Amino acid sequence: SQQGEEDPQALSIQEGENATMNCSYKTSINNLQWYRQNSGRGLVHLILIRSNEREKHSGRLRVTLDTSKKSSSLLITASRAADTASYFCATEGGGADGLTFGKGTHLIIQP
Amino acid sequence: DAGVTQSPTHLIKTRGQQVTLRCSPKSGHDTVSWYQQALGQGPQFIFQYYEEEERQRGNFPDRFSGHQFPNYSSELNVNALLLGDSALYLCASTPNIGATQYFGPGTRLTVL
Repeated sequence: SQQGEEDPQALSIQEGENATMNCSYKTSINNLQWYRQNSGRGLVHLILIRSNEREKHSGRLRVTLDTSKKSSSLLITASRAADTASYFCATEGGGADGLTFGKGTHLIIQP
Repeated sequence: DAGVTQSPTHLIKTRGQQVTLRCSPKSGHDTVSWYQQALGQGPQFIFQYYEEEERQRGNFPDRFSGHQFPNYSSELNVNALLLGDSALYLCASTPNIGATQYFGPGTRLTVL
């Protein structure tokens, strides 16, 4: 079963605009990670935020985590055509557990 | 520093056959996880190996089995292939629990 649910399922914006994707999950977590996937190939890790953190930045990426609402958001600022990809959130619970992924948000950046 | 590598890149099999996929983890990583990603879906956790033993398993039948070698590389075996096993199979490695998992490029399996 998939714990994370990304919203929206698809997003199309103009180059230079900001893109925001949301993720909701159901159970307690140790951390939440965001990944990017191009054309159905391997996943590229973007950022990891731990359950005791509220916000993290990495370059043009900003991730927030609200454990009370069991939700996270990924903001990509000043989008570029190369940002076109599918974005997944994945949660990791306690213990020796695998990552639980959502279905992803497909982001299209129009030039 | 080589990242996670997987072989083969693509594979075509027929129903009922068996398949073995291979993964070499990132240098310094001793934990390997396998995921199945159907078209249009997010990856689904199959199992995780650490110290040559299966440590955690997702909701997959016994037809899916694995192995980890002393050099931390890993194999995923699927027996009695079904059409529904067609998917992208991803391997990920991590140096410890709770750390970032690094994914390989995947093996695309097509079952005819």
